[in-house]
Amino acid sequence: KQEVTQIPAALSVPEGENLVLNCSFTDSAIYNLQWFRQDPGKGLTSLLLIQSSQREQTSGRLNASLDKSSGRSTLYIAASQPGDSATYLCAVPYSGAGSYQLTFGKGTKLSVIP
Amino acid sequence: DTAVSQTPKYLVTQMGNDKSIKCEQNLGHDTMYWYKQDSKKFLKIMFSYNNKELIINETVPNRFSPKSPDKAHLNLHINSLELGDSAVYFCASSRGLGGEQFFGPGTRLTVL
Repeated sequence: KQEVTQIPAALSVPEGENLVLNCSFTDSAIYNLQWFRQDPGKGLTSLLLIQSSQREQTSGRLNASLDKSSGRSTLYIAASQPGDSATYLCAVPYSGAGSYQLTFGKGTKLSVIP
Repeated sequence: DTAVSQTPKYLVTQMGNDKSIKCEQNLGHDTMYWYKQDSKKFLKIMFSYNNKELIINETVPNRFSPKSPDKAHLNLHINSLELGDSAVYFCASSRGLGGEQFFGPGTRLTVL
């Protein structure tokens, strides 16, 4: 059974700071890893998807890395802005029985202070 | 252009009632999912459909039944609602199993 852990649970930083969010998973036999953001009362927005064969994926100020062997992924946010305040979730498809169901971490709640 | 839409956005109902939540995607995806987010904000998969076939059925009560009239729709029917069913339900879709998933805005269900 796949378990996903995100550290820290909450993070508060001043505007302009670079930051790193961490995600770890117990079963390294993953198909890919996806990072989402969730704003309060809203749905999930897909930020980045890294295939298991990739080590990095970039989108604007976001950079996600993946180390399958150690069961870790990081999401790097450069030059943080108040609009980045949200909960960030990582998720991996558990490929047991070919189901590819997404297992989510509990998220990191990010607050960027102006 | 809403990619994944859900109706209704809010649903308040009495215990014991039967209700449905609708989901539609216009992304041309062939796989759709239902997730439940509980009061502690933890997201868990409930069902997924691929090419109109149920391929995952997480251990949810059989009061919950997904119905897919076509590849663009996956509706969630809930019978005999209970207090513990109160949660936010999210629909999602992807191209193929394991593809990048796109989520709808959620339906907040409150059972009184």
